[in-house]
Amino acid sequence: AQSVTQLDSQVPVFEEAPVELRCNYSSSVSVYLFWYVQYPNQGLQLLLKYLSGSTLVESINGFEAEFNKSQTSFHLRKPSVHISDTAEYFCAVRPNTGFQKLVFGTGTRLLVSP
Amino acid sequence: NAGVTQTPKFRVLKTGQSMTLLCAQDMNHEYMYWYRQDPGMGLRLIHYSVGEGTTAKGEVPDGYNVSRLKKQNFLLGLESAAPSQTSVYFCASSFRQGGQPQHFGDGTRLSIL
Repeated sequence: AQSVTQLDSQVPVFEEAPVELRCNYSSSVSVYLFWYVQYPNQGLQLLLKYLSGSTLVESINGFEAEFNKSQTSFHLRKPSVHISDTAEYFCAVRPNTGFQKLVFGTGTRLLVSP
Repeated sequence: NAGVTQTPKFRVLKTGQSMTLLCAQDMNHEYMYWYRQDPGMGLRLIHYSVGEGTTAKGEVPDGYNVSRLKKQNFLLGLESAAPSQTSVYFCASSFRQGGQPQHFGDGTRLSIL
């Protein structure tokens, strides 16, 4: 079975500062990794994913995440955040074979203030 | 350009009442999912469907039933609501890509008194 740990339930940061949201996973098999974002009163949106290839993946709005197999991590980073990045971010994992259910972390709330 | 639409958006029920949550998608997706979101617990999969006429249990299926009579619709039923089912429910859908939902609805906030 897989599990995901997001140790930080809330991360406050000032606008234009860098941010890192941490995600660690546990799995006995190879996995795919995902980050989803949830804006207030909305459903989740897929932000970025790691399936194979380059361990550094990027989103269209400036976020990036790096898959580190040895540390079983998939931390999300952004060099300069905006007020509009305020949201809850969920890390998720699933085995990389066939149809497998996604396992979500408990989420990290990013609070960006001016 | 609707994507995934959930109805209703809010509902308050009394213990023991029944209701059905409707999810509709207009993207011709094969897979559809029902999740519940509770504070501090992330999203948990209730039931899912890999195609019209098929359904399967997720992590927390007890107390819920589902049906997928048409490809575009996925219904979640509560036969006898309990306070423990107070939650925000999300429907999601995806192409045949192996298990990760691509598009989510905006959720149904359900309170059971």
